[in-house]
Amino acid sequence: GAVVSQHPSWVICKSGTSVKIECRSLDFQATTMFWYRQFPKQSLMLMATSNEGSKATYEQGVEKDKFLINHASLTLSTLTVTSAHPEDSSFYICSARDIEGRGGSYNEQFFGPGTRLTVL
Amino acid sequence: GENVEQHPSTLSVQEGDSAVIKCTYSDSASNYFPWYKQELGKRPQLIIDIRSNVGEKKDQRIAVTLNKTAKHFSLHITETQPEDSAVYFCAAQGRANSKLTFGKGITLSVRP
Repeated sequence: GAVVSQHPSWVICKSGTSVKIECRSLDFQATTMFWYRQFPKQSLMLMATSNEGSKATYEQGVEKDKFLINHASLTLSTLTVTSAHPEDSSFYICSARDIEGRGGSYNEQFFGPGTRLTVL
Repeated sequence: GENVEQHPSTLSVQEGDSAVIKCTYSDSASNYFPWYKQELGKRPQLIIDIRSNVGEKKDQRIAVTLNKTAKHFSLHITETQPEDSAVYFCAAQGRANSKLTFGKGITLSVRP
């Protein structure tokens, strides 16, 4: 249980195009999902917190008009990287928190497998 | 906001030895401290976590200790094996349902 999927697992795109990444909680409902970005040999950096039915909360320094987040249901959040540039190339990981607090710890976040974005 | 420090950045141990990884945090209100293992190109995996009302938690070869006064917590791995080689991240969370703040990670290498 508590499985989170991401699609696609990897994507290569040209500079200037937009890319959409999906994050799904497969067997639980998540009112809150988180989007992280991880550059090589670095830690996970939180980009934004996505709440179902409301606007996402972005971390300082993250452009909300560039990284569009939509959390339209309790099982799906999407991140759209608009007008992608080579510096946006990174490993994007989502996580979800179980609304019912399963997993042995009410606070536990369940991570997706990540999406490797390469912008040429 | 919360600041989590993790040192050193790399640690190498001989197979069978113990490994200890330490983290400090800045926000005394933080009450949840998970540890994650991440292999190259994969998602972080929760290996153990501890709440602020507990001083120590153990799960087979892995244990975590928490010192709230000093605001530091440590991961202990005993009888290390080559498959323990990975990057380990500590994290801290404040009030319930708030965000996690991650440390920079440590690369653990277990020499056969």
